[in-house]
Amino acid sequence: DAGITQSPRHKVTETGTPVTLRCHQTENHRYMYWYRQDPGHGLRLIHYSYGVKDTDKGEVSDGYSVSRSKTEDFLLTLESATSSQTSVYFCAIRGTGSPYEQYFGPGTRLTVT
Amino acid sequence: EDQVTQSPEALRLQEGESSSLNCSYTVSGLRGLFWYRQDPGKGPEFLFTLYSAGEEKEKERLKATLTKKESFLHITAPKPEDSATYLCAVQARGGSEKLVFGKGTKLTVNP
Repeated sequence: DAGITQSPRHKVTETGTPVTLRCHQTENHRYMYWYRQDPGHGLRLIHYSYGVKDTDKGEVSDGYSVSRSKTEDFLLTLESATSSQTSVYFCAIRGTGSPYEQYFGPGTRLTVT
Repeated sequence: EDQVTQSPEALRLQEGESSSLNCSYTVSGLRGLFWYRQDPGKGPEFLFTLYSAGEEKEKERLKATLTKKESFLHITAPKPEDSATYLCAVQARGGSEKLVFGKGTKLTVNP
């Protein structure tokens, strides 16, 4: 258990509404990541953070923004949700191995109607 | 472009029937290859890291091996509780934070 919680765990929202997903970790990890998982695709990196207020884009970042104002929380925002953003979203933290592994949270299932 | 292909997509085994899952990869310099297990409705659970051809890692009934082009996850005498989707991911050298995942192999072990 990497001490990661995600909220909400399930959400249904309408097209065009803003949505914010939260990832919370309790072990002071510097690196945090947001992925999405869709049928027919592997997990894909959306954004990641390497410290408070330090973030960078992943491979599928269009339509998403992130913020990290404190070490323990990493927020993913869909400014105006679309049906193509219906997915399962996973947060992860970087482990301490070499090369370093990633540990994943329980996920948030988001449905955009 | 870095790519990971896993085969087969799905595998059904009888309890005790050993088999292997394959992960073929192309990457511009391998930093690490990772195996995960994912149960329905849950996040991926880390199993192994491999980074050098010839390397092997073991955990209970699972053994992961690595060559320059592919990795195998060998499952010896599986039990029903080994049923899950197994994911393979690679990370390239050069400072990238991205893990490139395959689509997974869904393993079902029947009692």
